[in-house]
Amino acid sequence: DQQVKQNSPSLSVQEGRISILNCDYTNSMFDYFLWYKKYPAEGPTFLISISSIKDKNEDGRFTVFLNKSAKHLSLHIVPSQPGDSAVYFCAATPETQGGSEKLVFGKGTKLTVNP
Amino acid sequence: DVKVTQSSRYLVKRTGEKVFLECVQDMDHENMFWYRQDPGLGLRLIYFSYDVKMKEKGDIPEGYSVSREKKERFSLILESASTNQTSMYLCASSFVGAIQETQYFGPGTRLLVL
Repeated sequence: DQQVKQNSPSLSVQEGRISILNCDYTNSMFDYFLWYKKYPAEGPTFLISISSIKDKNEDGRFTVFLNKSAKHLSLHIVPSQPGDSAVYFCAATPETQGGSEKLVFGKGTKLTVNP
Repeated sequence: DVKVTQSSRYLVKRTGEKVFLECVQDMDHENMFWYRQDPGLGLRLIYFSYDVKMKEKGDIPEGYSVSREKKERFSLILESASTNQTSMYLCASSFVGAIQETQYFGPGTRLLVL
């Protein structure tokens, strides 16, 4: 059973426009959410995260929104740039203090930003 | 900067061979992970370790084993490689004790089993 779902395998946007990547989760124990970006032939790199005590976290052109009641989060990229073209993975985990928990990843969304 | 290195970027092996994939991290992280990435399937956890000599099965451990003799090194072993183990293998590490569970990934090893 997939606990983290990214229902859009791919997304194509024009340079300068907004990119919105969506992620849904089913496990109500998840309290911490992360987005990773992956270029071909490279490992994923951490992009932005959000704790369930917030509904928004912003870092430059990247903003993550969390709707806990809907078990939904989204990543907004504004403005989109060709260098943003990559696969984006959503991940979730129960928030822990002193423990170690696995991240549960979605299947990824391939974003293509066209010049 | 956290650095996670993997011993090979590309590897070609034959069916039945024993394959070792090595991963080293330099940030004294307690947790280390092995994933495989396949198109349409995302990142799937094979094994993880939260301490030296400790290991836990992930979601797809069959056909794999791991070894963690030193804190900085985590090895993935394919006892008898098969063609369905052709994949991109990613190692990651993370720090325990902080609320943030950010994992830092290595560059990946693309393995082709013929």
